[in-house]
Formats: sequence, C-alpha cells, structure tokens
Amino acid sequence: ILNVEQSPQSLHVQEGDSTNFTCSFPSSNFYALHWYRWETAKSPEALFVMTLNGDEKKKGRISATLNTKEGYSYLYIKGSQPEDSATYLCASYSGAGSYQLTFGKGTKLSVIP
Amino acid sequence: GAGVSQTPSNKVTEKGKYVELRCDPISGHTALYWYRQSLGQGPEFLIYFQGTGAADDSGLPNDRFFAVRPEGSVSTLKIQRTERGDSAVYLCASSSLAGVYNEQFFGPGTRLTVL
Repeated sequence: ILNVEQSPQSLHVQEGDSTNFTCSFPSSNFYALHWYRWETAKSPEALFVMTLNGDEKKKGRISATLNTKEGYSYLYIKGSQPEDSATYLCASYSGAGSYQLTFGKGTKLSVIP
Repeated sequence: GAGVSQTPSNKVTEKGKYVELRCDPISGHTALYWYRQSLGQGPEFLIYFQGTGAADDSGLPNDRFFAVRPEGSVSTLKIQRTERGDSAVYLCASSSLAGVYNEQFFGPGTRLTVL
C-alpha cells in the first residue's frame, strides 16, 4: 500500500509572506506526482504533474520541486495572497498496473489579510 | 468548455437507504475515476473506468458499492443499505486517457450524509 504524507497539516500565514510545504512518498517504483489545490466549495484544481527527478515547475507565484531519490516534493508559494487559501493535496501512483492516485491528507493553508 | 459535473451536490439519507450519485465527465474523456474523502482524510480511490468497463475496482470498500458507466460517458455510483460510515464527499474525475502522466480533472463532489 502506497503511503503519501504531507506536512504540516495546516498553516496560517500573513498576506505577503512566502511559504512552503512538503509531500513525502515512497521512492521505489515512482511514476508521477500530482499537486492539486482545493478551495472550499470548488473542484480540486490540478497544479502540476511531476515526473523526473530534479523537476521544477512554476505557475505564477506557485512552484514545486521533486526529489524522487529521497521521495519528497516541496510546494512553494511566494508572496501569499488571501486567494491562495485552500487545501493543497499531493498524490502519487502505485504504478502497479493501475492508474489510481493515492492522496496525502493535504495541507490547509489560510492566508490572513 | 464544461468541466466535470456531479449531482446532487448534497445528499442526506437515512441509514439503510439506497443512493445514486451521478458524474458527467468532460466530453471525450475516456477515463473516469471515483474517489471518496472522509473527514480528516485525503481522497481515497474507489474505482476507475476506461470506456464502459471498470478497469480497477479494488478501492470499493464492500459489495454495497457498485458503479456503472453503460455508454462510456456518464457514470453512476450506487450505494445500497447505506451506513453512517459512508458519510463523505464523493469525488469524480475524468482524463482524456488513463495514464500516470495524464491530469485528472475533478468535479466539485457530492457530499453524502447518512443519518
């Protein structure tokens, strides 16, 4: 059973602060890591699909890095804004012939104006 | 274009009742997934379809849960004899093809409450 862990569980930051959080996953049989943002009352929105060790991806003020050898990914938000408040989920594939995503429990970010 | 839609958005039912949850995927997407998020947990995989067939149903918790996708588009998740532990947000997602590199597009979910 794949185990995906995220930390911290929740985070409060002031508007304008930069922040980051972690996703840990098994490094063996790695295929891909997905990051999602889930705002309350909305659909989870895909941020990044990361596949290669050393990958760095960026979307506006949000960026992510990937280390498949040690089994972790970081998500960074530069200059947090209130609209960044959401739960950030990461998910990985077991790769055992199935395309099911295994999610972490998420990091709930609250940006205080 | 239209995203993934799910109906109803909220469903309250009594223990022992039968419920159906509907998912309309993005047009042309052949892969469709169901997940369930219980309080304090991340979404958990239930089942996925490639076309009309269930390619992997290993996440269905027991035989009270069943899902169909008869024409390869709309899917219905069916839960018989509901229990309080079935209370959760049920999420549906679709992708153009099933694959580890393909983004899954999610609907807003159906919040099921079993009293």
